[in-house]
Amino acid sequence: GAVVSQHPSRVICKSGTSVKIECRSLDFQATTMFWYRQFPKQSLMLMATSNEGSKATYEQGVEKDKFLINHASLTLSTLTVTSAHPEDSSFYICSASIARTGNTIYFGEGSWLTVV
Amino acid sequence: AQKITQTQPGMFVQEKEAVTLDCTYDTSDQSYGLFWYKQPSSGEMIFLIYQGSYDEQNATEGRYSLNFQKARKSANLVISASQLGDSAMYFCAMREHTGRRALTFGSGTRLQVQP
Repeated sequence: GAVVSQHPSRVICKSGTSVKIECRSLDFQATTMFWYRQFPKQSLMLMATSNEGSKATYEQGVEKDKFLINHASLTLSTLTVTSAHPEDSSFYICSASIARTGNTIYFGEGSWLTVV
Repeated sequence: AQKITQTQPGMFVQEKEAVTLDCTYDTSDQSYGLFWYKQPSSGEMIFLIYQGSYDEQNATEGRYSLNFQKARKSANLVISASQLGDSAMYFCAMREHTGRRALTFGSGTRLQVQP
């Protein structure tokens, strides 16, 4: 079964509104989670590293005021897309790892965001 | 600088044949991990195979094997006996063991298996 759960899997929102995506680690505590964005026919690009109990670390070019990340507990990180615009329409996916090395990376199911 | 390079945007293979998907990487770390993922149209990331930089033998997982050539910095995925269900996007990724623990992905290869 899934060890990282992401919700919602699909969401449609109106331009100018905000939408929240949740990423939960089910069987382990994740002090660090990662958020990726994937535009159609492109690769996954890291948006930010979500750190439990502290501020997220954003990649260059990612607007921290637009993509709010909260990691208030060891099992939950949330990504809020604020004042969404059609160009924010994308596939968002989270991941978490149990250890620094090895094959210990688990992905959520991903969320398809459509802004109309 | 691009750390993961996949030079094949698309590949075709006949059902039951083998196919190799290319991946080269660049890192100055001595310790790192290399991953291959399959992404069907649903978007989920399906883990296929993993190779650690210190692993002496090439990784194998069922029909998947990783041709790891460390000196050349290549980590090609070999899929044997292709099946129609193998049609998908395939991503090579790397995680360096120093610094952040995020994956860096290549641009992907779209594989189409033909009957």
